[in-house]
Parts: sequence; structure tokens; C-alpha cells
Amino acid sequence: GQNIDQPTEMTATEGAIVQINCTYQTSGFNGLFWYQQHAGEAPTFLSYNVLDGLEEKGRFSSFLSRSKGYSYLLLKELQMKDSASYLCAVSPRAGFQKLVFGTGTRLLVSP
Amino acid sequence: EPEVTQTPSHQVTQMGQEVILRCVPISNHLYFYWYRQILGQKVEFLVSFYNNEISEKSEIFDDQFSVERPDGSNFTLKIRSTKLEDSAMYFCASRAGQAYNEQFFGPGTRLTVL
Repeated sequence: GQNIDQPTEMTATEGAIVQINCTYQTSGFNGLFWYQQHAGEAPTFLSYNVLDGLEEKGRFSSFLSRSKGYSYLLLKELQMKDSASYLCAVSPRAGFQKLVFGTGTRLLVSP
Repeated sequence: EPEVTQTPSHQVTQMGQEVILRCVPISNHLYFYWYRQILGQKVEFLVSFYNNEISEKSEIFDDQFSVERPDGSNFTLKIRSTKLEDSAMYFCASRAGQAYNEQFFGPGTRLTVL
């Protein structure tokens, strides 16, 4: 089976740093993705990890530990526009690469 | 910047009616997907399509669902006889090729079945 867990909701203050965790148990693993989704809109790609370690992209970083089945998304210098849902998704196998999504973490950034 | 487009943005239909949701993936992309998201729930995979055939489908994608790429640009999802529980946002996505991991999502079609 496929199981991907994330906290339901988090709050943070503008300018702060927030870490959104994701744990997964899937039948296979070919990479972990983070997407951002504003309410009523499509998911937009943030990051992809397939090897252990940290990937940094501007204000956003993503970490993966395959042995622990664990990832986190780190958002620095939070801005109001970062208020959105953050979706953790796993590709269970190579090839056609469907994505299995977690329920998402709704992040609310306050002034 | 190239993007995935979907039409219509919102479709209202009566239970039992057929609907066709349309998508235009990014030009030159090779892999195509449909996902759905019931309000307040997670995004769920429906089907993947490559080389003019279904490559994988989920348990949700039963005989009532079908996909087609009728020409070089469109990718459609048909629901033959809609049910109340088909009400959801349907997202189309495309991916460039084997060496590329990112899936680009369209803006979605909100389907409401009455």
C-alpha cells in the first residue's frame, strides 16, 4: 500500500522559517516531490529529491532520508504569499511515474 | 512560458450524463496524466498515458472512464455516466520525457454532478 503523512495545518509569522515534514511508506520509491497549491488552483512544482540529502532552491529547500522514509520542506524568509497548501508526493516506481500524494499541509503565514 | 490548459473551467451536469473534460498538454511532452481532487481531500491519480495508450490506471478509473488523444494536441477524459461522487476538481498534467521528472499541472476543471 501507499501511505504518506503530513501535518494538516501549520502557522508561522512573516519573515520566519518553517519546516513541513512528510513521512512515507510506499511499495516502491523513485523520488519525492513537493508541490505548492493555492486554494482553487493547480499544484505547482517546488522540488524533487531522489537521493538522500538537501536540495536548495532559493528560499525553499527539501531534504530526503530514504532509510527513514522521511522528507521535509524548509521555507525561509516567509512571505504572505507563501500561505498555501504544500503537498508531499512520492513516485513509487520509475517509468510512467504516477504521483501518490499526501493530504497536504495548509500553511498560514501571518503578519 | 508553455503551460497546460484545460476546458471548461467549470462543468455542471446531471447524474447519469456523459462529460468530456479537455486538456491541451505542453507541446512536445510525451507523458500525460489525469488526477482528481475531491473538495478538501488529497490529489488522487487516475490514469497515465504514453505512446497513445494507457500505461497505468488506478482503482478509481473504472469502466465509466476513458481517455483519448484524438489528435496531436488534445488529451481528453470521458466519464460515461456521471455519479454524484464524481464531483471533484480534475487536473490534467504532462511531463516532457523519461529524463524529466516534473509534472506540469493544468488549472483544472471543476466538475459538479447534481
